[in-house]
Amino acid sequence: QVQLKESGPGLVAPSQSLSITCTVSGFSLTSYGVSWVRQPPGKGLEWLGVIWGDGSTNYHSALISRLSISKDNSKSQVFLKLNSLQTDDTATYYCAKLTGTRYFDVWGAGTTVTVSS
Amino acid sequence: QIVLTQSPAIMSASPGEKVTLTCSASSSVSSSYLYWYQQKPGSSPKLWIYSTSNLASGVPARFSGSGSGTSYSLTISSMEAEDAASYFCHQWSSYPPTFGGGTKLEIK
Repeated sequence: QVQLKESGPGLVAPSQSLSITCTVSGFSLTSYGVSWVRQPPGKGLEWLGVIWGDGSTNYHSALISRLSISKDNSKSQVFLKLNSLQTDDTATYYCAKLTGTRYFDVWGAGTTVTVSS
Repeated sequence: QIVLTQSPAIMSASPGEKVTLTCSASSSVSSSYLYWYQQKPGSSPKLWIYSTSNLASGVPARFSGSGSGTSYSLTISSMEAEDAASYFCHQWSSYPPTFGGGTKLEIK
């Protein structure tokens, strides 16, 4: 059974960095891409970036200077790091598995991140 | 980037009513890369329709999707209480992938 699970800090101070881990099971990170998507409270979905099976990455241009996505295939983990957090980075952060035709067939439950002092 | 505009933003429908949600794109989207997700409060999105018209596993047959170019829609032939949710369209025809703002569908 394919599963993804995010784990994050919950609360981050402004200007600090955010690190979230997505632990996957039921599929290999060498065969499928994983994206990060976030959703501010009461709002819509925003794609952040993707790491492909070969380890290459693509980022949203608005976040490219602050965002880094990496992975450890042996541990089945994908990592998101977002620097210089501001209050509008407050959101639920999801990791999602990609199919070959670029849609998200399985999502994690999400981790809520609040940026506040 | 391609902006997806969904309408209406909020709507309510009675049980048995036919419902149509629309998704309008600012530029042409390949129908192979237009998708719909369903999200209920407190839960993560679920894949609902892929490549414009293909129902994801477990999605009831009363749902259908259609469209091409800049205009897409999701239709429910007969509204049921369990269909109350938010629906988001999504494109990955070009970078960056984008989502519509969502339609919140309520049951009357």
